[in-house]
Order: sequence, then structure tokens, then C-alpha cells
Amino acid sequence: DTAVSQTPKYLVTQMGNDKSIKCEQNLGHDTMYWYKQDSKKFLKIMFSYNNKELIINETVPNRFSPKSPDKAHLNLHINSLELGDSAVYFCASSQDTHRAGALRGTQYFGPGTRLLVL
Amino acid sequence: QKEVEQDPGPLSVPEGAIVSLNCTYSNSAFQYFMWYRQYSRKGPELLMYTYSSGNKEDGRFTAQVDKSSKYISLFIRDSQPSDSATYLCAMKEASYDKVIFGPGTSLSVIP
Repeated sequence: DTAVSQTPKYLVTQMGNDKSIKCEQNLGHDTMYWYKQDSKKFLKIMFSYNNKELIINETVPNRFSPKSPDKAHLNLHINSLELGDSAVYFCASSQDTHRAGALRGTQYFGPGTRLLVL
Repeated sequence: QKEVEQDPGPLSVPEGAIVSLNCTYSNSAFQYFMWYRQYSRKGPELLMYTYSSGNKEDGRFTAQVDKSSKYISLFIRDSQPSDSATYLCAMKEASYDKVIFGPGTSLSVIP
């Protein structure tokens, strides 16, 4: 009964390769996110999708392309991987901010995908 | 000036101590304030959630928000070794999904 799940948990790959990370949530949430957490634990948003529509697109290299086949899934594809892409990538989801409720907008995180680019 | 600032620690306290964690911020439009706890090699999990100014208590945890000073705090009473984790403050504006996280404070509670 995992709420937000990600695959794979670990990813070790060579520079220049293309890789994908998958995320699924079973909370019925409308919004999903991708975050990058660097070695100093700083958590920074990359993208968010609401009902399959791109809402937030931070200054991220266009080698990173999110894809949302339905509102329960948000995948992250990375082309031409670079050493600096090594980090932990977290997927998260939240209820629609515009709905009523004290916890609207609160985000629930997946376990993370640890990416190491060699 | 960074949008959200937080002392990264590490902070080490004996079991049973009262812990005070703090964040300052610059954006006066922030309305929702959260504290997340992140255990090593795990995803962040929501600990406390507060709207606007005031205090909120949940068991051993108390969150305080002072919007006039742009300052939020998390207090942990009777700290336990299981509280050892990184604590991230987070905040957002009322009508915008983007949550801004602080860099986190690493806490160790020594038995």
C-alpha cells in the first residue's frame, strides 16, 4: 500500500547515457512533482504536473524531460547524462491546491532514486 | 539573500533535551509553513503543517510561525534517539503550488 513509489531505487550509469525514472502515486492526488536533492541535502523543485499538465518548470537543462501519461504517473527522462546529474531524485504528489482543506498543497514524497553518473 | 535560510547544523543533543530548530525567510507572501523530517536514505515526510501565524502542537512537537519577523520554529520536547534525522522547513504562497525548502538541519539525539 505504498503511497508514492519510484523505480529504480538506485541507478549507476555512464556519462552520455539516457535513463528514465518512474513514479507512481495511489493517493488520488492531482499534482505530482520532481525534486533534485544534492549532496548537501538541498531539495530543489524541477517540475510539477497537475492533471497531466505542466505547471512548474524550473530552470532545468532541457536534457531533462518529464512525461505524465496519466495523473497517477510522472516519469523523468534524462538524456546525455553528465557527472553533475548525480543526486537523489524525489517524486512527490499533493492534492489540488485549489480544493478546500487544511492540508491542501502538502506534498508526500517517494523514497527517492539515487543516481550516480560515472 | 536566499529565500529560506536554515542553520544546517549538525546539532547534537542528549536524550530528553528540548530541541529548537529555526528558519528565516524573505518572501512575505508565504502563507503555509511546514516541517518535514527526513531519515537517512529516505524521502522527506510531513511532520507539522501551519497556516499563517501562531502555534500548533502535536505530541512532543510544537511549530511556531511569526510572520512579522519572517521566522518559524520547531520545538521537540523530550527528544528521543528516534528523532535523529534531518529537519527541513518548507513554505509556500497561498495560490501557488511551488514549495520552497530550507537546506535542512541535521539532528542527532544521543542516548
